[in-house]
Amino acid sequence: SQELEQSPQSLIVQEGKNLTINCTSSKTLYGLYWYKQKYGEGLIFLMMLQKGGEEKSHEKITAKLDEKKQQSSLHITASQPSHAGIYLCGADIGRGNQFYFGTGTSLTVIP
Amino acid sequence: KAGVTQTPRYLIKTRGQQVTLSCSPISGHRSVSWYQQTPGQGLQFLFEYFSETQRNKGNFPGRFSGRQFSNSRSEMNVSTLELGDSALYLCASSSQAGANVLTFGAGSRLTVL
Repeated sequence: SQELEQSPQSLIVQEGKNLTINCTSSKTLYGLYWYKQKYGEGLIFLMMLQKGGEEKSHEKITAKLDEKKQQSSLHITASQPSHAGIYLCGADIGRGNQFYFGTGTSLTVIP
Repeated sequence: KAGVTQTPRYLIKTRGQQVTLSCSPISGHRSVSWYQQTPGQGLQFLFEYFSETQRNKGNFPGRFSGRQFSNSRSEMNVSTLELGDSALYLCASSSQAGANVLTFGAGSRLTVL
């Protein structure tokens, strides 16, 4: 969805390295959701950010929401092969209760 | 409890045919949403059903339709298939209408030849 742009589009990192994925909205964000998808499978909900400045962590994944910049970042510390997959941000950006997903970031972690 | 179940997982059709995909949500979930995922367009919203009523519809032609049954199971149908309909079709369920925390099925991969 062009309403939510993610960068980078793809990422290849060595195991143990840190990385950051960004999600930028063209419209006001009222909440931001991160999902992960293993190739060719369904999405798994990771975390939800609802307030500006909110930061949440789950294991080695941390997500932050900057409402002023209409942006969220997902940071993975000490990446592992199990982190590989496609990361998608999602948001309801106020257009008739329709949930939009970002363009996706494909992450490969090399052992 | 069982997750979201989609059938069939894989199918191949030819242009002009129609296809019906099925989705059984998590027990107790009354909302079912459908998404189309392609390499070029990414993940796009098709429609959402809640309590047998279509709540919302994405920007897809009328060839794409869906319905929900009283047991919350949902089907989507694509008629007059085109090559561009080849995609992974994902179903997601939630307990509330318009919820954004969704539980997804593994998807149905449709190939149109």
